[in-house]
Amino acid sequence: DIQMTQSPSTLSASIGDRVTITCRASQSISGLLAWYQQKPGKVPKLLIYKASSLESGVPSRFSGSGSGTEFTLTISSLQPDDFATYYCQQYSNYLYTFGQGTKLEIK
Amino acid sequence: QVQLLESGPGLVKPSQTLALTCTVSGGFISSVSNYWSWVRQPAGKGLEFVGRMSANGYTSYNPSLKSRVTMSVDTSKDQFYLKLSSVTAADTAVYYCARDPQIAGFFDYWGRGALVTVSS
Repeated sequence: DIQMTQSPSTLSASIGDRVTITCRASQSISGLLAWYQQKPGKVPKLLIYKASSLESGVPSRFSGSGSGTEFTLTISSLQPDDFATYYCQQYSNYLYTFGQGTKLEIK
Repeated sequence: QVQLLESGPGLVKPSQTLALTCTVSGGFISSVSNYWSWVRQPAGKGLEFVGRMSANGYTSYNPSLKSRVTMSVDTSKDQFYLKLSSVTAADTAVYYCARDPQIAGFFDYWGRGALVTVSS
């Protein structure tokens, strides 16, 4: 299995901050990585696919980068609606795996 | 607009079989270019891929669940199904069905989720 490790597990930030979440894969996954946002009691929402492609309708303050084993999700200027848990997911091999999640909290 | 909706019993007894249905609207379930998947999430925990299938019967399951999982599809009803046998409390989770577009590997549309509790 390809293990996905996110850091940090919890992140406290303020409105307007620029924040970065990191996702590391246990082996190279090329650029086959997606990011999701999940709010409590809600369904995961696709933000980014293929490491850096923004899903239609997702605000441009979200961006993704990386390749190989290290990837980042950046929110350029935090908005109140962005406080949620974020998951990365690799789809490099047939067994898709998710990171453990990063909870983004209000400071 | 693609919509997915899970349905099935919310309570299953240990050792029995969990059975869920995902009804797809607007999603071209018959298209072999999409995979239809199940993902689960225990309360307060992360997401776990359960398995995926295509309309022509291809299936791929999480090896940790493979011996207990069966997925199937009925394109005439725009539905696909999950069966998980010999359940234990560890299988208690919200089960989501989701679409993997163009066999891309990520999930662009999700159902609202179905909570299944395994308890006697």
